Amino acid sequence: EAQVTQNPRYLITVTGKKLTVTCSQNMNHEYMSWYRQDPGLGLRQIYYSMNVEVTDKGDVPEGYKVSRKEKRNFPLILESPSPNQTSLYFCASSFRSGPNTGELFFGEGSRLTVL
Amino acid sequence: GNSVTQMEGPVTLSEEAFLTINCTYTATGYPSLFWYVQYPGEGLQLLLKATKADDKGSNKGFEATYRKETTSFHLEKGSVQVSDSAVYFCALSPIKAAGNKLTFGGGTRVLVKP
Repeated sequence: EAQVTQNPRYLITVTGKKLTVTCSQNMNHEYMSWYRQDPGLGLRQIYYSMNVEVTDKGDVPEGYKVSRKEKRNFPLILESPSPNQTSLYFCASSFRSGPNTGELFFGEGSRLTVL
Repeated sequence: GNSVTQMEGPVTLSEEAFLTINCTYTATGYPSLFWYVQYPGEGLQLLLKATKADDKGSNKGFEATYRKETTSFHLEKGSVQVSDSAVYFCALSPIKAAGNKLTFGGGTRVLVKP
């Protein structure tokens, strides 16, 4: 089954404690991205990756890091989480080009609370 | 910059009612336009799309037409069901976007009552 898998789905942590949210896709997509969803703001892009070892900042990258060592995985790293990073996070992937550009496949989301 | 504006919810309807969710956009050139749907507890999934002016996207009884003159992409369904209760997001992808970057609207929550 084609899917994007995120872990953990739910996490409560404290300020300053490093955490990683993993994301894996099994569709051989070149493009992967992280979004955060906040009430009334829709989804905002944090980071994206066009392919292995190629990453770039989205609209709200402050406080986050990413890496793309393998095509299927795109972890999101919060080195020192703060309460304003409490949010619902989504990983998404797609083919990089062609007629289906823009058709993102989303994971089920990871709800993060930073106390 | 690019932006998407959609009507705020929640929108509460009775089953078999007609649904319209307004969406307007601001972008350079002619972007591709999308509607995504998020069912409770799930991630977003593509509902329909249109890539050029006057295109009509359709899926699961939903329709939206790309109107260049009014920069709009309103979502409609003629007869909603309880299972259509979800949050709907309008989005655009500029022609020269970095990768597949989508700009999303704020989302509209729809609640359909039996």
